[in-house]
Amino acid sequence: GQQVMQIPQYQHVQEGEDFTTYCNSSTTLSNIQWYKQRPGGHPVFLIQLVKSGEVKKQKRLTFQFGEAKKNSSLHITATQTTDVGTYFCAGGEYGNKLVFGAGTILRVKS
Amino acid sequence: DGGITQSPKYLFRKEGQNVTLSCEQNLNHDAMYWYRQDPGQGLRLIYYSQIVNDFQKGDIAEGYSVSREKKESFPLTVTSAQKNPTAFYLCASSTSRGSYEQYFGPGTRLTVT
Repeated sequence: GQQVMQIPQYQHVQEGEDFTTYCNSSTTLSNIQWYKQRPGGHPVFLIQLVKSGEVKKQKRLTFQFGEAKKNSSLHITATQTTDVGTYFCAGGEYGNKLVFGAGTILRVKS
Repeated sequence: DGGITQSPKYLFRKEGQNVTLSCEQNLNHDAMYWYRQDPGQGLRLIYYSQIVNDFQKGDIAEGYSVSREKKESFPLTVTSAQKNPTAFYLCASSTSRGSYEQYFGPGTRLTVT
């Protein structure tokens, strides 16, 4: 079945440094979604990418979908303490369910 | 105020007891899901339902049961057959089944001793 691998598992950065998490699927995806879960909270939808090679930005966050639609990345520029949490990617198969990656835990030192 | 509610936030049970977790949504969504999250791990799908009176097993359905008698409600029962029931349980819904954006409830943290 479809598998979605996410790396790194954990990253601890100094406030102001950049952060990137990567997501790879074993199969071609119809779309990729990103969610953020604050400590003690629940996952909240951030964005969905659908097109091959798509790039979307939300303030300091940049999301990319690979040309082959099998990988994706989330890049945060100049991290802030409000960025702490776990970032999940979720890959959608055509006409099928969403499969979540294991998540990347981000900690920011101020 | 639209959204998904789960209750209770914290639940404690003795081993051997069945327990039912509540999930209600007023988003008029057709599809609903139950996930389990263990510390440092991702979301694992337990059950999902596309329409009323229909539900399907996810990746880790053993020891769990669900019902979908109303569109708004999708309760999850953790049975005594579930070997490691202590976890954080998240309910979610989406417009329809498939790879659509999912809205999550606040979760129920279940502790079984």
